[in-house]
Amino acid sequence: QVTLRESGPALVKPTQTLTLTCTFSGFSLNTSGMCVNWIRQPPGKALEWLALIDWDDDKYYSTSLKTRLTISKDTSKNQVVLTMTNMDPVDTATYFCARIVAAGLLSDWYFDLWGRGTLVTVSS
Amino acid sequence: SYVLTQPPSVSVAPGQTARITCGGNNIGSKSVHWYQQKPGQAPVVVVYDNSDRPSGIPERFSGSNSGNTATLTISRVEAGDEADYSCQVWDSSSDPWVFGGGTKLTVL
Repeated sequence: QVTLRESGPALVKPTQTLTLTCTFSGFSLNTSGMCVNWIRQPPGKALEWLALIDWDDDKYYSTSLKTRLTISKDTSKNQVVLTMTNMDPVDTATYFCARIVAAGLLSDWYFDLWGRGTLVTVSS
Repeated sequence: SYVLTQPPSVSVAPGQTARITCGGNNIGSKSVHWYQQKPGQAPVVVVYDNSDRPSGIPERFSGSNSGNTATLTISRVEAGDEADYSCQVWDSSSDPWVFGGGTKLTVL
């Protein structure tokens, strides 16, 4: 069974750095085609894609947030870590990790499995 | 950046058909995917590649895509279908994975 689970602090202060961990099972990021993403959703707002890391350790970031984001993987632990620097109250959101199985055209890729998300509140 | 527009809410009586639209410039040329979100649960893909259903998703869920509008259709709506539904595409001119604003489906 494939599962993903997000973990991290529920509350961070403005200007702090957020570190989130996605722990997954049922697949390996050493397997060709496997990708793990981070996606967030502010309360009452739309989903927003943040970052992707693939089996080959290629990394892609949201254009608007790329200066603040770092994504990395630890394949021995089946974990993907996202750090976001200089947190602001507008970054308050539920953060999800989600898998893409890269097959066919890049334009056809979609998120086939998600975690339940973790709510992060940014407040002093 | 590429924008996807969804109605904020759709209401339907049990047993009726719900249609949730997703508008975008020439969206018919893209692959559209639909996700269902229930409170406290992981989002679930209900339709991918415009009209394909993952295993385990009822046949009541279907999708279409043409011109500037993609549509998720839920036939014979049940109380358990009440959720938020979001469309998603890939776009080369902006952040690659783009989501619509989401539509709350209410079963009356």
